[in-house]
Amino acid sequence: QKEVEQNSGPLSVPEGAIASLNCTYSDRGSQSFFWYRQYSGKSPELIMFIYSNGDKEDGRFTAQLNKASQYVSLLIRDSQPSDSATYLCAVNGDSSYKLIFGSGTRLLVRP
Amino acid sequence: SAVISQKPSRDICQRGTSLTIQCQVDSQVTMMFWYRQQPGQSLTLIATANQGSEATYESGFVIDKFPISRPNLTFSTLTVSNMSPEDSSIYLCSSGDSQETQYFGPGTRLLVL
Repeated sequence: QKEVEQNSGPLSVPEGAIASLNCTYSDRGSQSFFWYRQYSGKSPELIMFIYSNGDKEDGRFTAQLNKASQYVSLLIRDSQPSDSATYLCAVNGDSSYKLIFGSGTRLLVRP
Repeated sequence: SAVISQKPSRDICQRGTSLTIQCQVDSQVTMMFWYRQQPGQSLTLIATANQGSEATYESGFVIDKFPISRPNLTFSTLTVSNMSPEDSSIYLCSSGDSQETQYFGPGTRLLVL
């Protein structure tokens, strides 16, 4: 059973701080890794995807992947109250494009 | 990214009835998927909707309960059959592109009484 683990939170950070969200996965064959943001009552919105070890930056967001440790993280710099949401980590391990989602981490950014 | 719409956006249904949810994508896509998100939970994949052939169901989901159609590359339906209160959930469709990324529709919020 392939699993994706996330701390449910809530992770509370002050406005302007860096929020660090973490995710581990069980399948060493996983190739593609995704972060989605989900506001309450809304559907998931893709923020970033990463395929290779290392960092990938997009604006205030940085995804970090370490395949040896089976660990992927999302850093949000200069956190804003509008970043308050649940962040879902998803992993794709085979050629069928199927995604396995973690349970999500709830982020609260305090003004 | 593809723009996805779903109908209905929400519904309240009686136990024992069936509801068909429609998913429309604004461009042709290879992959379409159906997920369920129960209250306070993460997303669980129900099935992959295959164009021109039977859907591929995940463990715990069966065709008799969740029949799926995909008549072309832009449209799919999911039917929730013989509903019970345990089927109350958000049902989401998504589409996959060549980069393996998936984009989600707005979801259908179902309450079964």
